[in-house]
Amino acid sequence: SAVISQKPSRDICQRGTSLTIQCQVDSQVTMMFWYRQQPGQSLTLIATANQGSEATYESGFVIDKFPISRPNLTFSTLTVSNMSPEDSSIYLCSVELTELGEKLFFGSGTQLSVL
Amino acid sequence: GQQVMQIPQYQHVQEGEDFTTYCNSSTTLSNIQWYKQRPGGHPVFLIQLVKSGEVKKQKRLTFQFGEAKKNSSLHITATQTTDVGTYFCAGPIEGTSYGKLTFGQGTILTVHP
Repeated sequence: SAVISQKPSRDICQRGTSLTIQCQVDSQVTMMFWYRQQPGQSLTLIATANQGSEATYESGFVIDKFPISRPNLTFSTLTVSNMSPEDSSIYLCSVELTELGEKLFFGSGTQLSVL
Repeated sequence: GQQVMQIPQYQHVQEGEDFTTYCNSSTTLSNIQWYKQRPGGHPVFLIQLVKSGEVKKQKRLTFQFGEAKKNSSLHITATQTTDVGTYFCAGPIEGTSYGKLTFGQGTILTVHP
C-alpha cells in the first residue's frame, strides 16, 4: 500500500486568500490525483498532477483557481486561490499504485473552511 | 456526460440486519470499484470488479458487477456497528484510464446497536 501524508489537515481561511495543500507519498508514483469532496457530497476529480509536465484539469476546474505543482515523483501541492465560501470542502490527494491494480489510495484530506 | 448514480442515499438498519446499495452508470464501465469512508475519515478501497457478471465476497460483503457492466451492488449480511460509514462506487471517467474516477453519490449507512 501507499502512505500518503497530507497537510494541513484542516484550516479556516478568509475570503480572498489562498491556501496551499501539500501531499507527500512514501514511494515514487507517476501520477497524483487531487479530488474535492464538498460537504455531504461525493468526490470529484479536480486534476491529475504529472511530474515534469503541467497538470491536467477536469471540466469545471482551471489552473488559475487551482494551480498544482509536482516537483518530483513523491510530492505535489494544490493551491486553492482567491478563496470564497463555495471552496469550503475536503481536498484529497490520491495515488494509484499500478502494481497493486487500479485502486486509489487517499491521503487523510484537508478540511477547508472559508469565511 | 457520464453519470454514476447510487441508491439509496441513506440507510438506517438495526445491527444484524442486511444492507444493500446499488450503483448504476450511464455508460459501460471497464471496471467498477467500491470504497468505504468512515465518518471523519478518507475513502478506503474495498474491491474492484472487472468481468461481466462478476461476484466477489469479502467476509460479510458481497459485490456484484452486472452483465452489461453498467451496474453493481454491494450487499452486507448481518451488519455490525463497524460497518457504519459511506459506501461509494466509482468507475473510470469515460475515455480515461488509471486513477481518474467518477464517484457515485454514496450511501450513508447507519447501524443502530
